[in-house]
Formats: sequence, structure tokens, C-alpha cells
Amino acid sequence: GIQVEQSPPDLILQEGANSTLRCNFSDSVNNLQWFHQNPWGQLINLFYIPSGTKQNGRLSATTVATERYSLLYISSSQTTDSGVYFCAVGAGSYQLTFGKGTKLSVIP
Amino acid sequence: GAVVSQHPSRVICKSGTSVKIECRSLDFQATTMFWYRQFPKQSLMLMATSNEGSKATYEQGVEKDKFLINHASLTLSTLTVTSAHPEDSSFYICSAHAGTSGANEQFFGPGTRLTVL
Repeated sequence: GIQVEQSPPDLILQEGANSTLRCNFSDSVNNLQWFHQNPWGQLINLFYIPSGTKQNGRLSATTVATERYSLLYISSSQTTDSGVYFCAVGAGSYQLTFGKGTKLSVIP
Repeated sequence: GAVVSQHPSRVICKSGTSVKIECRSLDFQATTMFWYRQFPKQSLMLMATSNEGSKATYEQGVEKDKFLINHASLTLSTLTVTSAHPEDSSFYICSAHAGTSGANEQFFGPGTRLTVL
């Protein structure tokens, strides 16, 4: 099956700093989603981005499908951005394969 | 739009009992729903794919007789953990796909935390 690697596994930021999270995948995909899992476990949809670039407030994402990677940018980080960020991809069917996540800690 | 609910949010049960978890799509019809399991500090692992009106498809290593899935309507899928044991304690999350042409985006429920004593 398709392999998904996220980096870095852990990230500690000072409030106000910017960060880039990366997601590499091993095959062509027709679905790529970025999620933020909050402390209660809820997965929050951030982006549906199988290709191209999208922006939503302080967050933006870019997927370069031909090179099999996606990037999630967080600018001017806030303590409420803390949590685990997951990249998940789908190829062919509707099933998603998740990466292991990046645990982000934003300190005041 | 695209809201998925789960019930209950938390359940504690004794070993040997069965537990049913409901997953509902509130504002769209979901031809396909998915069930995931997440152990502490780990990622989500797909357990099974639930298609309305047909049998679920289970991932390798998931016991279909232990994790019974029913998708009787376009807005409801249920997961029943039968004869639960402490090793079944986990966070169970469902997701739904609308099945329309275009985006393949999935929407996730808030999860159910199962503790088996």
C-alpha cells in the first residue's frame, strides 16, 4: 500500500514563529487532506488539497503531486495551534492512509 | 455543512460485554463510511470500510466477527465491539464520504473513547 511519511515528528515553537510541516507519499494520489487533532481527539479538517495551493488565514498548504509531497505552513503561531497535525492520502479508492503525525507545541 | 457525529463519546464497560458505537452524517448522505482505531500517541489505522446496503470490507488483521459493522441507511453506520476485552480499549473514529463526483474529501466524527475493564 501507499506509504506516508511526515516530518518532523515533533516541533516546539515560540509563539509568533512560523513553521513548515512536510508530508511525503510513495505513489500517485487523488486525495490528500491535512488535519489538526485537538486535545479531545477531534480531527479538524484543515485542507483538502490533492494538488495546488490553498490558504486559510494563517495556514496555507501546497501539494506538488508530481514530486509526491505536500507542505503545511503555519504563520504567526499561537498556543491554540498546539496539537498533532496529520497528513492523510488516498489513491484510487476513498480510503485514507494516515502519516504518523507531527506533534506541535507552541509555547508562550 | 459536512458534520459527522458519534455516540457515545465515551464508554466504560466490563470485559465480555458488547458495545455499540453510532456514526451519523448529519447534513449529507454518506454512501461510504470508514471506521478507524487510534491507540495512545499513535496514528489512525483503518479498520473497515462500510458501504450502505452491503457488507463491510475489513482491513487485514481486523476480526470481522469481533467488530460488527452495519450501514443500514445513508446517514448511519454502527460499529459493535463484541465480547470486549481490555486490549480493545482504544479511541474509535468514524469518517464519512458523500460519494458525489468531484472531491473525495472525508469528514470525521469526534471519536468514541472505549475503556474495557
